[in-house]
Amino acid sequence: AQTVTQSQPEMSVQEAETVTLSCTYDTSESNYYLFWYKQPPSRQMILVIRQEAYKQQNATENRFSVNFQKAAKSFSLKISDSQLGDTAMYFCASNSGNTPLVFGKGTRLSVIA
Amino acid sequence: EAGVAQSPRYKIIEKRQSVAFWCNPISGHATLYWYQQILGQGPKLLIQFQNNGVVDDSQLPKDRFSAERLKGVDSTLKIQPAKLEDSAVYLCASSLGYWYGQYFGPGTRLTVT
Repeated sequence: AQTVTQSQPEMSVQEAETVTLSCTYDTSESNYYLFWYKQPPSRQMILVIRQEAYKQQNATENRFSVNFQKAAKSFSLKISDSQLGDTAMYFCASNSGNTPLVFGKGTRLSVIA
Repeated sequence: EAGVAQSPRYKIIEKRQSVAFWCNPISGHATLYWYQQILGQGPKLLIQFQNNGVVDDSQLPKDRFSAERLKGVDSTLKIQPAKLEDSAVYLCASSLGYWYGQYFGPGTRLTVT
């Protein structure tokens, strides 16, 4: 079974600074997919970024990038130039063709002006 | 394109009553998911449909929860009878496939008193 662990329940960052959210996972699948989702307060879940396990190049989406360390089973999210609108719960998730999407418990990020 | 639609947005019922939630996925998305998200946790998959067939319902409490997806488009999730521990946000998501990630609706916040 797949598991996803987020060890930082809460984090804060000053506006315009950079923050990194940690995620580790475990899976027996040879190919799998990793995602970061953002859930703003009282708003719906949004897909931020995704990574396919066999691709070595780290995914990037504007200010969001990942550091994918396959051997260490680590998938951290870096947010550059943090903005107030980045305040949200961030969930790391993983699935494969044979397994459903499994979420971590989330990290609550607060961006401070 | 229109996103995933859900209704109602909020529902308050007494324990032992029944309730139903409706979801309309993004057009063309064959895969539809229902999740339960308890406050402070990540979403937990209840059931996954591929077109109108069930792919995974291993975590659905089948003694009280039921779901259907007629004609492979809209879906309904029902709880009968509700318990206090069913208080949660019920999220619907749809997807083109595992790699593409899932797109979530706004959710239905259920309170059981």
